[in-house]
Amino acid sequence: IVLTQTPLSSPVTLGQPASISCRSSQSLLHSNGNTYLSWHHQRPGQPPRLLIYKVSNRFSGVPDRFSGSGAGTDFTLKISRVEAEDVGVYYCMQATQLHTFGQGTKLEIK
Amino acid sequence: EVQLVESGGGLVQPGGSLRLSCAAAGFTFSSSEMNWVRQVPGKGLEWLSYISSAGTVIYYADSVKGRFTISRDNAKNLLYLQMNSLRAEDTAIYYCARALEAAGTYGYWGQGTLVTVSS
Repeated sequence: IVLTQTPLSSPVTLGQPASISCRSSQSLLHSNGNTYLSWHHQRPGQPPRLLIYKVSNRFSGVPDRFSGSGAGTDFTLKISRVEAEDVGVYYCMQATQLHTFGQGTKLEIK
Repeated sequence: EVQLVESGGGLVQPGGSLRLSCAAAGFTFSSSEMNWVRQVPGKGLEWLSYISSAGTVIYYADSVKGRFTISRDNAKNLLYLQMNSLRAEDTAIYYCARALEAAGTYGYWGQGTLVTVSS
């Protein structure tokens, strides 16, 4: 399964919303009814950290300005109001069929 | 607090071998599914291998199948990645990652260990 993220780079003004798309080459709906699409955020020099799992579930401690949505092959991560700490690279990841990552989207402040 | 600490990285010649370790603490390691993921510096993430909690189910990415072997020692809370026949393109930061139960993703990542394959 190939995951394609758009855009690859996103300059955003502080306090403004941001949106990242992740499109899968195949449906991510598992035979058990779950959709294993997650989002990870990596700040420069740091390991990734989990933001969203199973499309729309925020991981412990993740601010509610982050939200995930989608189904089948099309998914979106939205940040309602970008803060300075949100800079870095965002990766979508699927685990419906083994594991693969999208190529990453770099979020930077204008 | 969940802790994952990788070790064993370093400089190795092409064709050589290296064994990475991941020391786990702060959770019940023997109940946790684990993974190895790597990242070429400045590039994206690549999943390498998965191992079930008991070590009975193992998967590999095609890029490392036949060269890398994942294993674990639940008595010592250690995860391993044996890497053989190393190539220049295996140069990367290697992360161990603990699966988030029933979520199909990784809830916790280690800090990573750098492997450099060069003559």
